[in-house]
Amino acid sequence: AQKVTQAQTEISVVEKEDVTLDCVYETRDTTYYLFWYKQPPSGELVFLIRRNSFDEQNEISGRYSWNFQKSTSSFNFTITASQVVDSAVYFCALSYTGGFKTIFGAGTRLFVKA
Amino acid sequence: NAGVMQNPRHLVRRRGQEARLRCSPMKGHSHVYWYRQLPEEGLKFMVYLQKENIIDESGMPKERFSAEFPKEGPSILRIQQVVRGDSAAYFCASSPRENVNNIQYFGAGTRLSVL
Repeated sequence: AQKVTQAQTEISVVEKEDVTLDCVYETRDTTYYLFWYKQPPSGELVFLIRRNSFDEQNEISGRYSWNFQKSTSSFNFTITASQVVDSAVYFCALSYTGGFKTIFGAGTRLFVKA
Repeated sequence: NAGVMQNPRHLVRRRGQEARLRCSPMKGHSHVYWYRQLPEEGLKFMVYLQKENIIDESGMPKERFSAEFPKEGPSILRIQQVVRGDSAAYFCASSPRENVNNIQYFGAGTRLSVL
């Protein structure tokens, strides 16, 4: 069975702090995809990153970075020097080749205070 | 290049009324997916459709909910005789026919409130 767990329900930080959002997944498939989405207060879903299971390279995009570790089935997301505009709910998600469902975690609500 | 369009953005219904949610996929996309997000929860898969076909509806409630994706026009998620528990955000996503990247592109969602 596929499952995504985001153990942190809410995180509160002060602006300019670094923050890491945890994501642990379960799947029996050898080929799968992992995603992070941002849901700002306006409610839409913003795609941030997609990673396939064969690519364990960490990725950095500006203040965002992702750490994918198959050995621990984790795909963690770090925001460096957080800003108030980063305040949102962040979802980790999983899909697999030939599948069509995207399985979402419950989300982590991030509050960044000025 | 328009993204996935959902309307209305907000919909208010009284108990017992019908709700119709519309989704126009991205240009060139022939696959549509509906997800429901209950308050304070993640998105849950409901149904996957291709033009004129329901491929998988394993996430749809057995009663009152139906979905279609006609040859022409948007995909419609229909909820009959709404109840308060149907209040949620409903997201539509689309993908191209050969979805080699497994990426689904999401719309902004329709927020249904049942009074």
